[in-house]
Amino acid sequence: NAGVTQTPKFRVLKTGQSMTLLCAQDMNHEYMYWYRQDPGMGLRLIHYSVGEGTTAKGEVPDGYNVSRLKKQNFLLGLESAAPSQTSVYFCASSYGLAGVSEQYFGPGTRLTVT
Amino acid sequence: AQSVAQPEDQVNVAEGNPLTVKCTYSVSGNPYLFWYVQYPNRGLQFLLKYITGDNLVKGSYGFEAEFNKSQTSFHLKKPSALVSDSALYFCAVRDANFGNEKLTFGTGTRLTIIP
Repeated sequence: NAGVTQTPKFRVLKTGQSMTLLCAQDMNHEYMYWYRQDPGMGLRLIHYSVGEGTTAKGEVPDGYNVSRLKKQNFLLGLESAAPSQTSVYFCASSYGLAGVSEQYFGPGTRLTVT
Repeated sequence: AQSVAQPEDQVNVAEGNPLTVKCTYSVSGNPYLFWYVQYPNRGLQFLLKYITGDNLVKGSYGFEAEFNKSQTSFHLKKPSALVSDSALYFCAVRDANFGNEKLTFGTGTRLTIIP
């Protein structure tokens, strides 16, 4: 039981490049989330999904897109990376709603945009 | 709107002493409250939550938190600190009266236990 895994662990991008971050969970959770963590700002929700084939915007969705084609996977895409997107990205999943159920977090992806 | 504040960026406690990490919240309705811990280079881990019921909530690793509605607080406590408790702690809140699935996290408190 691997829990929540994220690929890659580190990435450096040039401004304007694109990339996709992959999140996978093996706990059969319905809900999945993408957060970014920046110093002094806590975690901020980018996008989330309440089930396979669904996505919704969080607090800071601009510049990101997501897809949930399979229940176990949640992809986060950056179409044209900007230095402001330099951050640590965390994926999480939960059995029920985030506000009621505990979330399980992946180890994070450290992204630097130059 | 929902918000949460962790007034201390850094808390230092001697090993064996009791520890408290403070959290206050603001919601329109009833709060759902959480504590998570983050060890270096790791994702967050769930410690405990308050949804309803007893104001004193017990969680993992000997931690507990007390929900105080009049003071809108949910402070994290442990009777005797261990060096291994050193980590970054996040409080989070959701307003139960609204239908969104979003948790709002605090900015975190770095807890350092001094041997």
